[in-house]
Amino acid sequence: RKEVEQDPGPFNVPEGATVAFNCTYSNSASQSFFWYRQDCRKEPKLLMSVYSSGNEDGRFTAQLNRASQYISLLIRDSKLSDSATYLCVVLPNTGFQKLVFGTGTRLLVSP
Amino acid sequence: NAGVTQTPKFQVLKTGQSMTLQCAQDMNHEYMSWYRQDPGMGLRLIHYSVGAGITDQGEVPNGYNVSRSTTEDFPLRLLSAAPSQTSVYFCASRSGVGGTTDTQYFGPGTRLTVL
Repeated sequence: RKEVEQDPGPFNVPEGATVAFNCTYSNSASQSFFWYRQDCRKEPKLLMSVYSSGNEDGRFTAQLNRASQYISLLIRDSKLSDSATYLCVVLPNTGFQKLVFGTGTRLLVSP
Repeated sequence: NAGVTQTPKFQVLKTGQSMTLQCAQDMNHEYMSWYRQDPGMGLRLIHYSVGAGITDQGEVPNGYNVSRSTTEDFPLRLLSAAPSQTSVYFCASRSGVGGTTDTQYFGPGTRLTVL
């Protein structure tokens, strides 16, 4: 089983739609969680950290479910500019604390 | 504040040539890493460092060397380039303190083609 698993998509949605991605992780001792965004051929950039109680940043909401070992990202009122690949990132609680990246979920928002 | 910088942005090599990809950060981060990303694939860790003078191997270290003589710089050396090393290379850094504030910052990437 992969340490971090994501549905690769693509998720094709119209502008204005609400879309949600899930990401499962295998290490129950993982301490921190993040969502990164990667545009085509560009470097990944932090979208938001995921707090235990869940958190919101504008149109974006992140949730953590430790019991079921998954995190989620909800995007409301999708914009064309939201088209990108969304990477789930987990920081384990061991050793070097090597960040573990999912392979990403591709989102395509159409007019 | 430049963040993480990488040079060059693009490079074409012939099989067997060697070269060094440069990476520098100005955030005084202890942790630095090199990743490669191939089309349709995720990021794969090549080498990492938890501080000046300390480096270790990641998932795909063969064919690459690193050194960390200063906190700021973390160059990646390709010893004898092979076509299988054609990829996009990202350097990254983070503080290493852990927790939700331990954001990893990436450089803009080096696109390497080996002929």
